[in-house]
Amino acid sequence: AQSVTQLGSHVSVSEGALVLLRCNYSSSVPPYLFWYVQYPNQGLQLLLKYTTGATLVKGINGFEAEFKKSETSFHLTKPSAHMSDAAEYFCAVSPGATGNNRKLIWGLGTSLAVNP
Amino acid sequence: DTAVSQTPKYLVTQMGNDKSIKCEQNLGHDTMYWYKQDSKKFLKIMFSYNNKELIINETVPNRFSPKSPDKAHLNLHINSLELGDSAVYFCASGSGANVLTFGAGSRLTVL
Repeated sequence: AQSVTQLGSHVSVSEGALVLLRCNYSSSVPPYLFWYVQYPNQGLQLLLKYTTGATLVKGINGFEAEFKKSETSFHLTKPSAHMSDAAEYFCAVSPGATGNNRKLIWGLGTSLAVNP
Repeated sequence: DTAVSQTPKYLVTQMGNDKSIKCEQNLGHDTMYWYKQDSKKFLKIMFSYNNKELIINETVPNRFSPKSPDKAHLNLHINSLELGDSAVYFCASGSGANVLTFGAGSRLTVL
């Protein structure tokens, strides 16, 4: 069975500050990991994904995440927050190539606020 | 061209009514999904179709019935609407490795 935990349902940072959104997962098979972003009144869009290979993955809008198997984590970071980063962020996991990869398990989301 | 388009964007209706939401994708994906997002932003998968075949059917009241006439379309019909059905419903389509493209959402309000 798989699960995803996003620590902190609300995170607030100042403009220009580091953004760190935490995601921990559990999976009995090698996982595929994802971060999606949802801007107000919009659908979700893919920020970045890890499937195999390099554990540090870069996404859109300056975001990146590092897959740490030993810590079962996939935290999302951005060096310098911008006002336009204010949104809801979702971490998700799927069983990867060895299982039913059509069903994503979603975290509960983290709402990021960026203060001027 | 919108990749995943769903209509209508807003639905306001009375309890007990029946309503439908339509979804179309022009990405050539084989898999389509319906998700429900509640007021706390929690995402719950409802259904998934792969090439017109139902492959995921979560614990959803049977008042909800999906229909996929072809792999580019997945519609959602809801009978006898209840207050608890108020939510935003998202259609999505998927390629390999579970990368999903979402529609803009259909906000359903049941009065």
